Amino acid sequence: QQQVKQSPQSLIVQKGGISIINCAYENTAFDYFPWYQQFPGKGPALLIAIRPDVSEKKEGRFTISFNKSAKQFSLHIMDSQPGDSATYFCAASQGGGSNYKLTFGKGTLLTVNP
Amino acid sequence: KAGVTQTPRYLIKTRGQQVTLSCSPISGHRSVSWYQQTPGQGLQFLFEYFSETQRNKGNFPGRFSGRQFSNSRSEMNVSTLELGDSALYLCASADGRNTEAFFGQGTRLTVV
Repeated sequence: QQQVKQSPQSLIVQKGGISIINCAYENTAFDYFPWYQQFPGKGPALLIAIRPDVSEKKEGRFTISFNKSAKQFSLHIMDSQPGDSATYFCAASQGGGSNYKLTFGKGTLLTVNP
Repeated sequence: KAGVTQTPRYLIKTRGQQVTLSCSPISGHRSVSWYQQTPGQGLQFLFEYFSETQRNKGNFPGRFSGRQFSNSRSEMNVSTLELGDSALYLCASADGRNTEAFFGQGTRLTVV
């Protein structure tokens, strides 16, 4: 049972464009939604995270939009750069700081062309 | 502050053997989680330890086990290796107060 569905599987964007990755979840008990960025040969690195009490969070060029009623959240990368080319994973967990079991989406391979 | 350290980085084992992977969390972090990453299944949760106690366990067979020591370092063991166990095994640490989990670079296990 895939509890977090991520789309698209791959995405090609031109430099300066906007990259958008979407995720949908099923478990309404999830209360923490992080995005991770992974480069080849590296472990996932936390990019940005949101809790369901806010609808949007922005950090630099990265923005998470959250729709609790639709059980969906998305990552927007503004002014995409070739250095952003990586695999992006959405994830979800429940229980706040006492529970570190993350359920991941399948990942999106982002390629930003120069 | 040093990040999460996983050793070894690469391992090649034969079917039927067992393997032990090690993870040293960020200093002060008491929670260590393990994940298996494969191209087909993606990132899947194995188990989580907090203060030497297993708090959560994923849907993996009993061949996968782990433990945590009093200094928060953790090991995971896989017995009777199968070809399908070939994967990148990732360890993540967290401090138990905040929600953020930080990953190591992983151990690439190849079973032949």
